[in-house]
Amino acid sequence: AQSVTQLDSHVSVSEGTPVLLRCNYSSSYSPSLFWYVQHPNKGLQLLLKYTSAATLVKGINGFEAEFKKSETSFHLTKPSAHMSDAAEYFCVVSDREGLVGGFKTIFGAGTRLFVKA
Amino acid sequence: DSGVTQTPKHLITATGQRVTLRCSPRSGDLSVYWYQQSLDQGLQFLIQYYNGEERAKGNILERFSAQQFPDLHSELNLSSLELGDSALYFCASSPSGGSTDTQYFGPGTRLTVL
Repeated sequence: AQSVTQLDSHVSVSEGTPVLLRCNYSSSYSPSLFWYVQHPNKGLQLLLKYTSAATLVKGINGFEAEFKKSETSFHLTKPSAHMSDAAEYFCVVSDREGLVGGFKTIFGAGTRLFVKA
Repeated sequence: DSGVTQTPKHLITATGQRVTLRCSPRSGDLSVYWYQQSLDQGLQFLIQYYNGEERAKGNILERFSAQQFPDLHSELNLSSLELGDSALYFCASSPSGGSTDTQYFGPGTRLTVL
C-alpha cells in the first residue's frame, strides 16, 4: 500500500533564503509523485510531477524536486524564497493498487511554509 | 483559473439533511475526482470517475455517493449529514484518468453542518 509522509508540518524561512520541504513515500509499484501548492482560500495547483522520466524535476516558480528511489524521497526545493511562496504544500503519490487494480491518489498531511521579510 | 467549476461555493445545512455538490470538469477532461479536506483528516481522496464509470474508490463513506453524467459533469451526494462532515470538498479533473495525469482542482465547496 502506498503512503506519503511530509516530515515537517511547518517550515519558516526568510525571504531570499533556500526552501526545503521534505517528503518520503512508500509504494509497491512505480509511483508517480507530485507537489501541489494551496494558497489561502484557493484550490490546489500543480507545482511539478515525476513520472519515471528524469529524476530531477523542474516546476513552476523556480521550484524543483529530486526523486531518490534508494531513499524513497521526493523533497521540494527552491534556491531563494519569495513572500508569495507562503502557502501550504502537498506531496502526493499516485500508484496502482495491485496488478490489475486501478490507482489511488494519496496526499501527504501538508507543510505550511512561512516566509519572513 | 483551472477551468474546473464547482457549485455552490458555500453550503450551510443541518444534521440529517442531504446535499448535492456539483462539478464541471475542464473542457476535454474525461476523469473527475472528489476530495474532502478537513482540519483533522487533511486531504482525503473520495472517488474517481472516468467517462461515466467509477474508476477508483478511496475513503468514501456509505452515506456519500457520486456519479458522472454523459456530459461529464459530476455530482457528489452527501446524505444523513453529521457535524463531522463539515469540510471543504474539492473536485478535480484530468485528461485521461491515469496515474501520471496532472489533476486540475476547482475552488471547492465549503460545507458547514450545524
